Amino acid sequence: QSALTQPPSASGSPGQTVTISCTGTNSDVGSFNSVSWYQQHPGKAPKLIIYDVTKRPSGVSDRFSASKSANRASLTVSGLQADDEADYYCSSYAISNSLVFGGGTKLTV
Amino acid sequence: QVQLVESGGGVVQPGRSLRLSCAPSGFTFSSSAMHWVRQAPGKGLEWLGLISKDGTYKFYADSVKGRFTISRDNSKNTLYLQMNTLGVDDTGLYFCARAERSSDYSLDYWGQGTLVTVSS
Repeated sequence: QSALTQPPSASGSPGQTVTISCTGTNSDVGSFNSVSWYQQHPGKAPKLIIYDVTKRPSGVSDRFSASKSANRASLTVSGLQADDEADYYCSSYAISNSLVFGGGTKLTV
Repeated sequence: QVQLVESGGGVVQPGRSLRLSCAPSGFTFSSSAMHWVRQAPGKGLEWLGLISKDGTYKFYADSVKGRFTISRDNSKNTLYLQMNTLGVDDTGLYFCARAERSSDYSLDYWGQGTLVTVSS
């Protein structure tokens, strides 16, 4: 149950597009289409923004999109806004009925 | 609207036990699998475990297996996390979260967390 690998930080200017990566292994990301992404503002609970690799929950902006290739998943935030500044975490179902999170990426706008 | 409210956190000495509770509202509790997740101060999210809708199945992270026990009482609409033999590394904010209806390992609603501090 090793953590997924995310870059510690990412940044972009308002209106720009930024992509955050999430690298796992054949025991998690590479073998299952159960990758999720969460947004967490300081002092707040995480919020689900992507599930099942590419699906957006109701109410989540379509500026958030995601994909997966082999052992690597990616979250893309387009048209950056000030409120997008937050920590972002990926997660994946892993073998033995477990869930593993990435270390988190701090996005600065 | 869906709400999850955790309680039971506090300051506890190393080696002692603590039980956390999570009170859901705004949805049919017995229809959802539930998770516990924690976050150490200034650190990332760590999954602790999952319990199925009826409590039949429970899965745990290796880091807490054998020390932590997840249970639920659907008649009382309550989720629990029993934590034994606590160590300083167990300090953190503990969240309960609901599993998304179609994807047990996606967490679509989270509580605000309850803080556990393990210190002598």
